[in-house]
Amino acid sequence: AQSVAQPEDQVNVAEGNPLTVKCTYSVSGNPYLFWYVQYPNRGLQFLLKYITGDNLVKGSYGFEAEFNKSQTSFHLKKPSALVSDSALYFCAVRERVDTGRRALTFGSGTRLQVQP
Amino acid sequence: DSGVTQTPKHLITATGQRVTLRCSPRSGDLSVYWYQQSLDQGLQFLIQYYNGEERAKGNILERFSAQQFPDLHSELNLSSLELGDSALYFCASSSPLDIKDDYGYTFGSGTRLTVV
Repeated sequence: AQSVAQPEDQVNVAEGNPLTVKCTYSVSGNPYLFWYVQYPNRGLQFLLKYITGDNLVKGSYGFEAEFNKSQTSFHLKKPSALVSDSALYFCAVRERVDTGRRALTFGSGTRLQVQP
Repeated sequence: DSGVTQTPKHLITATGQRVTLRCSPRSGDLSVYWYQQSLDQGLQFLIQYYNGEERAKGNILERFSAQQFPDLHSELNLSSLELGDSALYFCASSSPLDIKDDYGYTFGSGTRLTVV
């Protein structure tokens, strides 16, 4: 079974400060990891993914995430937060399989609030 | 526009009724996934179809069913509706391409179902 935990319901950060949104995962084998962002009344939008290779993944809008296998974590980071980054962020995992694609399992979401 | 089309955008219906939600995947995508997003339970995987065949089931109630048609569009049928079924229902599609081109999912903008 695969699962994702986002331990913080909400993260508050001041504009210009660095931000971190935490994610830990559990899969039987090796994971594919994703971050999505959801703005009000919109569907989820892809931010970045980890498939293999470099543990630091860079994505859209200046976001990056670091894959840590030993800690089974995939925290989302940004060096300098913007008010426009305020949204709901979802971490997702899928176990690597040789054939087909299993459904993604999503975390419960973390609401990021960036104060001006 | 993500390329995944969901209709209707909003739906208000009474308890005990039946509704059908429709999803057209992004051009070329063979997989369709349905998710339910409610305030207290985050994003819950319901069911996955691949090229017309059911591939995986998640937390889908027996009152709910889905199918994927030869043109690859999918419908989610919800029957004997209860107040607790009120939620956002998302459809997502994914590409059969190699994993390096895999962005996980492309989400539609969702159908907001309100059961009164």
